[in-house]
Amino acid sequence: NAGVTQTPKFQVLKTGQSMTLQCAQDMNHEYMSWYRQDPGMGLRLIHYSVGAGITDQGEVPNGYNVSRSTTEDFPLRLLSAAPSQTSVYFCASNLRSNSYNEQFFGPGTRLTVL
Amino acid sequence: AQSVTQPDIHITVSEGASLELRCNYSYGATPYLFWYVQSPGQGLQLLLKYFSGDTLVQGIKGFEAEFKRSQSSFNLRKPSVHWSDAAEYFCAVGARSGGGADGLTFGKGTHLIIQP
Repeated sequence: NAGVTQTPKFQVLKTGQSMTLQCAQDMNHEYMSWYRQDPGMGLRLIHYSVGAGITDQGEVPNGYNVSRSTTEDFPLRLLSAAPSQTSVYFCASNLRSNSYNEQFFGPGTRLTVL
Repeated sequence: AQSVTQPDIHITVSEGASLELRCNYSYGATPYLFWYVQSPGQGLQLLLKYFSGDTLVQGIKGFEAEFKRSQSSFNLRKPSVHWSDAAEYFCAVGARSGGGADGLTFGKGTHLIIQP
């Protein structure tokens, strides 16, 4: 049971480039989320999904797209990277029936946009 | 919408001394409450959580937290800190109304420094 996995661990982009941050979980969790972490800002929710084919916006969705074609995968796309998107990105998942709403986090992707 | 405040950005504690990290939340009802720890360059690890019942909850690594409804607080404590406790600590709140779907709201974190 690998839990929540994220690739790549590190990435450097130039302004305007596009890329996809991958996230996968093998716990059969219905809910998945993407957060970004910036110094002094804590974690902020970008997008989340309650199941395959269903996504919604979080607190800071601009500049990011998501899709959820399977229960296991929840990729985050940057269509045209900007320096303001330099951050550490965390993917998380949780089980719908878990009334604690406990989220399990991946190890993160550190993204730098030049 | 819910919010979380961690008033202390940095806290320095001597090894072996007691620790209390403060967390205040804003939410219209009793929320789910969590404390996570993040070591440098690592992901987030759950220390403990509060859902209902006993307001004093025990977590891993010797941590505990107390939910005080009247003060809208969920402070984290440890009787004696170890150098390995140096890390970033995040308090988070989850809305019960969302059924767990819409993620957590995090505080900005408290950076814990341990002095030898």
